[in-house]
Amino acid sequence: NAGVMQNPRHLVRRRGQEARLRCSPMKGHSHVYWYRQLPEEGLKFMVYLQKENIIDESGMPKERFSAEFPKEGPSILRIQQVVRGDSAAYFCASSPTSGSPDEQYFGPGTRLTVT
Amino acid sequence: QQQVKQSPQSLIVQKGGISIINCAYENTAFDYFPWYQQFPGKGPALLIAIRPDVSEKKEGRFTISFNKSAKQFSLHIMDSQPGDSATYFCAASYGQNFVFGPGTRLSVLP
Repeated sequence: NAGVMQNPRHLVRRRGQEARLRCSPMKGHSHVYWYRQLPEEGLKFMVYLQKENIIDESGMPKERFSAEFPKEGPSILRIQQVVRGDSAAYFCASSPTSGSPDEQYFGPGTRLTVT
Repeated sequence: QQQVKQSPQSLIVQKGGISIINCAYENTAFDYFPWYQQFPGKGPALLIAIRPDVSEKKEGRFTISFNKSAKQFSLHIMDSQPGDSATYFCAASYGQNFVFGPGTRLSVLP
């Protein structure tokens, strides 16, 4: 059973470009969460999605950031017009559709560097 | 109310010693308390978790102690090994609402 997949693992963007981060949840999981982690800091919740629905985006900046989880394909976190402050590790987690919804399993992360 | 406090920020333990990391929360709605282990360059991995209906849970060398009245919980790592050197995050959740502590960087000296 493959774990949570994220790609790319490393992404370098110049200021003003767009960053697209992808996350494929574990098999049997339909809940996806995105977190941001700055160096030497904890995980900050950004958004929680189910298939085709954004459930909670209270942690997402109002501008430049968007997320989707289409019926087919991975979840996408999109950052438009990136700035240096967006440099961070972005982690995706998924939890089961049924059974224990509390358990979140994390992917390896995408490390975004904005130059 | 949504904050989870974690201490210490960093911890150095000799091989074979006991590592103890503490967390505290305010929101009594939280009903699930997991601990995650993160190695450099990797994603957090679920280590052990507890629900408030029990006061202690043990899995191998890892034990969670939970004090519902004090709204505190802690992770104990017995016989700490250099391979345990990592950052540990506590978390608290209700439903799909997760809040993470800031993390503790553990170094176990050989």
